[in-house]
Order: sequence, then C-alpha cells, then structure tokens
Amino acid sequence: DTEVTQTPKHLVMGMTNKKSLKCEQHMGHRAMYWYKQKAKKPPELMFVYSYEKLSINESVPSRFSPECPNSSLLNLHLHALQPEDSALYLCASSGTDLFYGYTFGSGTRLTVV
Amino acid sequence: SQQGEEDPQALSIQEGENATMNCSYKTSINNLQWYRQNSGRGLVHLILIRSNEREKHSGRLRVTLDTSKKSSSLLITASRAADTASYFCATDGFPPSSGSARQLTFGSGTQLTVLP
Repeated sequence: DTEVTQTPKHLVMGMTNKKSLKCEQHMGHRAMYWYKQKAKKPPELMFVYSYEKLSINESVPSRFSPECPNSSLLNLHLHALQPEDSALYLCASSGTDLFYGYTFGSGTRLTVV
Repeated sequence: SQQGEEDPQALSIQEGENATMNCSYKTSINNLQWYRQNSGRGLVHLILIRSNEREKHSGRLRVTLDTSKKSSSLLITASRAADTASYFCATDGFPPSSGSARQLTFGSGTQLTVLP
C-alpha cells in the first residue's frame, strides 16, 4: 500500500473537457510534486509545492493548473488538453530532510481523445 | 529536464545472476537515489546515497557513487524474476530557480528483464 493516494487511476477525456487529478499524502510531508511520464521515458517534473509555495517548470503549458488546498492535498486541473498530453501523471511527496527519498503514488493514466 | 544517462538502456539476465546498471549525471547533487518502476505503475524508492558517501548496501542492493566522475552504479545480486522492472537513478538538489524546494531529476532508465 502506498501512502500517497492518487485518483482516478485511469481517465479518458475529450479535448474540450475539464477534469481534475487528485493526490493525497499521509506522510506529514511539506512538499508535493506532479510529474508527467510518457511511455518508455523518465518522469519529468511539472510542479512543486513546498510549504505552500509553488514552483513551476516553465515548459509546462497553461492548460495544466495545480492547486494545493492544504499540505496534504494536491490537485492538477486539466483543461483543453491535447492528445500529446496523454501520459502517466505521478504525484509524489517528500520531507525536506535530504537523507530520505520521495514517496510516489501509483499514478493516473490519462488518455486524451 | 533529464539529468543524465543510464546504461545499458536494456539488460536481460538469467535468474540468480547479478545485474549492474550505471548512471551519469551533470550537476552538483545533495544525494542520488534509485527507484524501481513496474510496468505502468508508480515509482518505488530503493536506496539513497548522500554526496559524501561512496558506497551503500541495502539487502541485495549495492550502490556506489563517484562524485568526481558524476556517476553511480546499482548492483542487484542474485536476481529474481520479480526484479523485472525499469530502474531509474535520480538526483536530488535545491536548484536556485526553485528557491528552497527540493527537485528530483531522473536519468533515462534501464529496463531489466530477469528470465526464470
């Protein structure tokens, strides 16, 4: 069982839809992350929330919008996506102590049609 | 962006053999981590080695780090079919552009297949 929970596990959406991916962590961590992973590629960082401060990968298009309601929850709002946005979206959390690794959720498999 | 390269890209071995994967990176790091990913699933943290450490063991895993060469290796001993997965190295730091936030940047990954 993972202590980072992502919902839904699978999502199919049209290019005109608005949807949200949700992530919740029960680790007491103060940093949460969204990663995007295409098939046979490594995960790429999209957004970081650390102590409620947002850092953005400037290459991420504005059709992706993160939201951090509190330190345990992280949402990713999706609007007007393109088929090339189809990917595995991974949420992770970490503490600030550099002696410990990150904890990842099991991901949301997104397909844009 | 991708931190570095891993080699080999793919490795196929028999059960019981050892598997070695190598990772190179580009920037200064606080630590280097290794993760496993089963097909289409989330990543599982395996082991972390700090920048001032040279070798670390955890069960059947042995990690080395050479900061002068900006490289690391992961050795899995006595491999099992259940070890079949993708393995990623990842570097952890505090890039100036992110203020105080940690950022984990992944290498290209090695697909390991252990044949029964």
